[in-house]
Amino acid sequence: GAGVSQSPRYKVTKRGQDVALRCDPISGHVSLYWYRQALGQGPEFLTYFNYEAQQDKSGLPNDRFSAERPEGSISTLTIQRTEQRDSAMYRCASSPLAGAGALGTQYFGPGTRLLVL
Amino acid sequence: KQEVTQIPAALSVPEGENLVLNCSFTDSAIYNLQWFRQDPGKGLTSLLLIQSSQREQTSGRLNASLDKSSGRSTLYIAASQPGDSATYLCAVRLISNFGNEKLTFGTGTRLTIIP
Repeated sequence: GAGVSQSPRYKVTKRGQDVALRCDPISGHVSLYWYRQALGQGPEFLTYFNYEAQQDKSGLPNDRFSAERPEGSISTLTIQRTEQRDSAMYRCASSPLAGAGALGTQYFGPGTRLLVL
Repeated sequence: KQEVTQIPAALSVPEGENLVLNCSFTDSAIYNLQWFRQDPGKGLTSLLLIQSSQREQTSGRLNASLDKSSGRSTLYIAASQPGDSATYLCAVRLISNFGNEKLTFGTGTRLTIIP
């Protein structure tokens, strides 16, 4: 079956522009996660949702970053007034299970490579 | 704050050799630990997941062990093949109240298998 998909795969933007990154999770998966990965580093948690509810946004670096999942399926990560330091790979993952104690493995998408000039 | 460290950062071995990748974490109150494989241009692929109550998990030529008290995990790859070349990441999930399911990743080990 189809895995997690993300679009666009690559995004080049100018400093100060807003960008919206999309994640389409595996059908039926309850939980959706956003991570950011700098070159040579492991992914760092940004935020996650159970259904449409944003459960934890402690990893969002500042108020220029926001995420939504209005219908509990597709999610959008928006970065306003982009800065060069926002350049990174943005990864989305989904998991079939929700809640503490869940065993759910997180399934990752291919990522969106963002370059801010 | 949980910190996850992977050593070595890079490793090259001849095809056919057995090898061990190391992962250490500072907070032993983990719920589970996962090993992922990362290939260029692709997503992360989960290889093995070990619950905190388990000591090891096996899948084919891969064996992952967990020593929660010492904050260590190892990934053993038997009879390595060129197709095993990738970056291997370990990630831990902390025990917490409802709503905290984030993974904390290490920086990865870049493995190259020499034909």
